[in-house]
Amino acid sequence: AQSVTQPDIHITVSEGASLELRCNYSYGATPYLFWYVQSPGQGLQLLLKYFSGDTLVQGIKGFEAEFKRSQSSFNLRKPSVHWSDAAEYFCAVGAGGYQKVTFGTGTKLQVIP
Amino acid sequence: GAVVSQHPSWVICKSGTSVKIECRSLDFQATTMFWYRQFPKQSLMLMATSNEGSKATYEQGVEKDKFLINHASLTLSTLTVTSAHPEDSSFYICSARDDRGNYEQYFGPGTRLTVT
Repeated sequence: AQSVTQPDIHITVSEGASLELRCNYSYGATPYLFWYVQSPGQGLQLLLKYFSGDTLVQGIKGFEAEFKRSQSSFNLRKPSVHWSDAAEYFCAVGAGGYQKVTFGTGTKLQVIP
Repeated sequence: GAVVSQHPSWVICKSGTSVKIECRSLDFQATTMFWYRQFPKQSLMLMATSNEGSKATYEQGVEKDKFLINHASLTLSTLTVTSAHPEDSSFYICSARDDRGNYEQYFGPGTRLTVT
């Protein structure tokens, strides 16, 4: 069975600083990996996904993530954080596309002026 | 873009009553929809996979008689929490998988259920 670990429960960064959110996965085959963002009172929004090909994936809102098979990681990055990026971020792994998606426990991002 | 709605967005009910939550794909068809439950400060836990025209597939530990799922059309799935108890209070989120080729999954805004 697949699983996802997000080791950081809460992260605080200054506006304009760079950001990296960590994600480690466990899955026997080639994983389908996702990053979602959840703002208060809103649904989950897909930031980016990796199915195959280039291991550096570009997403919306200036986010990118890099798939590293050797480290079983799919870390999310942004070079310059904006106050509007404050939200909860979930990493997820899917089996066979969208057959079943398992979510990590989430990382809450706080952005300070 | 693809939109998924949920109704109601929040509901308060008394213990012992039943509550129905609707999940609709507004501009695409979804043969498959998913129901998740999210506890405070926790992740989303998949409850069941709902397929149009057939019985839902429940995850281990989820009571199928308590959480009734009906996927009667390609744009609507409903989750009914029967004989609700305070421990059923949670945030319920649905997602719908787009049938159009890319099988992208889109999430609804969620329903906050409080059982008193």
